[in-house]
Amino acid sequence: DSGVTQTPKHLITATGQRVTLRCSPRSGDLSVYWYQQSLDQGLQFLIQYYNGEERAKGNILERFSAQQFPDLHSELNLSSLELGDSALYFCASATGGDTDTQYFGPGTRLTVL
Amino acid sequence: GENVEQHPSTLSVQEGDSAVIKCTYSDSASNYFPWYKQELGKRPQLIIDIRSNVGEKKDQRIAVTLNKTAKHFSLHITETQPEDSAVYFCAAMEYGNKLVFGAGTILRVKS
Repeated sequence: DSGVTQTPKHLITATGQRVTLRCSPRSGDLSVYWYQQSLDQGLQFLIQYYNGEERAKGNILERFSAQQFPDLHSELNLSSLELGDSALYFCASATGGDTDTQYFGPGTRLTVL
Repeated sequence: GENVEQHPSTLSVQEGDSAVIKCTYSDSASNYFPWYKQELGKRPQLIIDIRSNVGEKKDQRIAVTLNKTAKHFSLHITETQPEDSAVYFCAAMEYGNKLVFGAGTILRVKS
C-alpha cells in the first residue's frame, strides 16, 4: 500500500458525459501528479499540482481539467467523454522536492461506452 | 522533450536465471531514473531508483546501472522467481519533475 488513495476504483459511463476522479496523497506530500495509462499510449503524464498550484502540464486534453484543494486532495475532471478516453487513470504523490520519488495510487479504471 | 526507449518489449527467462532490461533517454538534463513494476490491473510500484550522481545501486536481487555519457540505464534482476513476472517500466525525470516512461517490458519467469 503506497498511502495514496483514489476513488472510485471503477467508473462506467457513456460518451458525452462528465466524470470526476479523486485522489488523496500520502500524508505530508504536497505534490500530486495525474497519469493516463492506455494500451496504445502507455503511461502518459497529464498534469502536476504542488500545494494547490498547477506546476506542470503534459499532454492533457482541453476537455480534461484538474485542481488541488487546500486539504491537498486533487480531482481530475473529464468532460465530453469519448470512447478513446477509456483507460486507467493513476495519481501519484511526492513530497515536492527536486528529483522526487513518486508513489502511485491504485488507479481508477474508466470505461466509456 | 524527453524520450525514453525500452528494450526488450517481452522477456522470458527460466526461474533462477538473470533478467536485464535496458532503457535509453534523450535529454542529458534528466537526473532521476526510477523503475516501476506493475502487475495486471494494479498500480505501478517503485522497485528501485537511481540519481544521476550515482553509477550503480543495488537492493537485494535488484540492481540498476546508469551510464550518463551514453544516456542509458539498465535493470538487472538476479535469481528470478515466478513472482517477478510482471510489466516493468523505466522512466526518466525531465525538467519540472515530469516522469517520461518507457513502453514497458513484459517479464515472464518460467518455473
